[in-house]
Amino acid sequence: EIELTQSPVTLSLSPGERATLSCRASQSVSSYLAWYQQKPGQAPRLLIYDASNRATGIPARFSGSGSGTDFTLTISSLEPEDFAVYYCQQRSSWPPLTFGGGTKVEIK
Amino acid sequence: QVQLVESGGGVVQPGRSLRLSCAASGFTFSPYAIHWVRQAPGKGLEWVAVISHDGTNKYYADSVKGRFTISRDNSKNTLFLQMNSLRAEDMAVYYCARGDYGGFFEYWGQGTLVTVSS
Repeated sequence: EIELTQSPVTLSLSPGERATLSCRASQSVSSYLAWYQQKPGQAPRLLIYDASNRATGIPARFSGSGSGTDFTLTISSLEPEDFAVYYCQQRSSWPPLTFGGGTKVEIK
Repeated sequence: QVQLVESGGGVVQPGRSLRLSCAASGFTFSPYAIHWVRQAPGKGLEWVAVISHDGTNKYYADSVKGRFTISRDNSKNTLFLQMNSLRAEDMAVYYCARGDYGGFFEYWGQGTLVTVSS
């Protein structure tokens, strides 16, 4: 089973700042990694798939990079609606599909 | 628009059973694999199970293997999750999600809460 480790657990930033979230895999997942955003009481929303492709309707301020074992989600300038929990997920080797533990982006 | 609507959650005693449903609309159901993903209160996301487009292939997380059964009825655009021998650690919001891009989830339901408590 591929384990995904996200860091930091919590990121405290102000609106307008740049957010950089990390996801590290226990073995290579090639580019088969996705990022999701989840707000309280809501289902997750797919932001990025295959490491760097934005999903439908996702603003350009969200970008993904990386391959192999190290991946980054960058939010170039935080909007108020971006404060949420973010998860990475791999589909390289499954079952099982696995998620990271999440990074909470909170308002500083 | 694509919609997935879960139902069937509720309060159940440990050891008992529950059956969840997920009704799909707004897209052609039969070509897609559909997954169940759960989230325990205050915790992260955990993949539970998947069923292939025609129901012939099914895979489960080790944590539910032998207790949960995933199935689908393509004539009714509906997915099911039969959960037997429920444990406290099965308590979670259960989401159905459409498999896209080979194993990612672009469309999710709103979730249904399963509470396991005596």
